[in-house]
Amino acid sequence: DTEVTQTPKHLVMGMTNKKSLKCEQHMGHRAMYWYKQKAKKPPELMFVYSYEKLSINESVPSRFSPECPNSSLLNLHLHALQPEDSALYLCASSQGRTGDFFAYEQYFGPGTRLTVT
Amino acid sequence: RKEVEQDPGPFNVPEGATVAFNCTYSNSASQSFFWYRQDCRKEPKLLMSVYSSGNEDGRFTAQLNRASQYISLLIRDSKLSDSATYLCVVGGSQGNLIFGKGTKLSVKP
Repeated sequence: DTEVTQTPKHLVMGMTNKKSLKCEQHMGHRAMYWYKQKAKKPPELMFVYSYEKLSINESVPSRFSPECPNSSLLNLHLHALQPEDSALYLCASSQGRTGDFFAYEQYFGPGTRLTVT
Repeated sequence: RKEVEQDPGPFNVPEGATVAFNCTYSNSASQSFFWYRQDCRKEPKLLMSVYSSGNEDGRFTAQLNRASQYISLLIRDSKLSDSATYLCVVGGSQGNLIFGKGTKLSVKP
């Protein structure tokens, strides 16, 4: 079963709100990812967790805060976002081993479509 | 040179046509290569991994030329349901994926 689930599907938030995006996978994958995708652009990597530790932060502003409570779950906490942060936020997972720099295929969730007003 | 380059299209083809997409990548040390498909307002879905020997899955054939740093995808007997954006994806040095900008395909009746 190559399923990654994400909630919520849609989110509208004001610039002073705090909200969280959630992602779950049950494929036993040890690497999980957050991407941001704007219309007509490819996904843009934000964060990578490998074995529940943050391994890549692509210079993302601190108003985005990732969390990996366990190997199946990944959260993205949002605070004081700007209208330009409106986008599709995608979670993905892949197999991976600590210290392994081989890029395995990633499986994406359906995304959360975020609108910041 | 961009890390992964693709022709953005759009490619407008009739049903039944054969269509080929090409992609070049800049890092000669890359070890993994994929084609993903993305429908409008949906997530990318893995179409195929691409191996040095080339691989085929039904109507889809992927080829890799490491010497030229070139990847291709051939779709035979196009169906209306093949209409989507096709993303060429290359493995990065940190185990991450590097996406091309995608090629849009529209298959018309």
